[in-house]
Amino acid sequence: ETGVTQSPTHLIKTRGQQVTLRCSSQSGHNTVSWYQQALGQGPQFIFQYYREEENGRGNFPPRFSGLQFPNYSSELNVNALELDDSALYLCASSWGLRGGYEQYFGPGTRLTVT
Amino acid sequence: AQTVTQSQPEMSVQEAETVTLSCTYDTSENNYYLFWYKQPPSRQMILVIRQEAYKQQNATENRFSVNFQKAAKSFSLKISDSQLGDTAMYFCAFMKGSTSGTYKYIFGTGTRLKVLA
Repeated sequence: ETGVTQSPTHLIKTRGQQVTLRCSSQSGHNTVSWYQQALGQGPQFIFQYYREEENGRGNFPPRFSGLQFPNYSSELNVNALELDDSALYLCASSWGLRGGYEQYFGPGTRLTVT
Repeated sequence: AQTVTQSQPEMSVQEAETVTLSCTYDTSENNYYLFWYKQPPSRQMILVIRQEAYKQQNATENRFSVNFQKAAKSFSLKISDSQLGDTAMYFCAFMKGSTSGTYKYIFGTGTRLKVLA
């Protein structure tokens, strides 16, 4: 069984640029959630995808967008990067949509915006 | 809206001792789940323990146990026989249990635990 993987591990971008972060779900999982974890804070929910459709979104602006592919891997895209976007971005996969189902986290992508 | 509060930003404990991390939450839901996650310095979040709100019995996983007080909306984590490998950031998290909508974690701000040799 393959765990959740994310790429790249680290990324440095300049304000105003665009970035794409990638996530491969754990084998058998069809749901992906993305979280932003600012330094010293708990993760904040960005959005969730289930079977290639967005299934809910947190309090993030539209310049945060995502995709889920038929193999259930996922991308997080951020346009017009701002300094406050510097954070650890976590991807978590799970099976189905049901309360209490554990989400399995990847190691994260550390994004630094200068 | 649900909120999760962890009032202890940092804690330390001697190796082999017992430590309790606090968590309170606020929700109007009756059906929900509570979790404790561990995030070591390597970053990957790992599930420590899970509690279903409809269960009165407190969850236990080896050295880890919880004290779930539903009426008080309190969910503390007890770590017994602390080990150096327990050094990590610990997050308390809430997830609703209804059958529709978005199944997301709502995390607290975390407690940094350091186990001292």
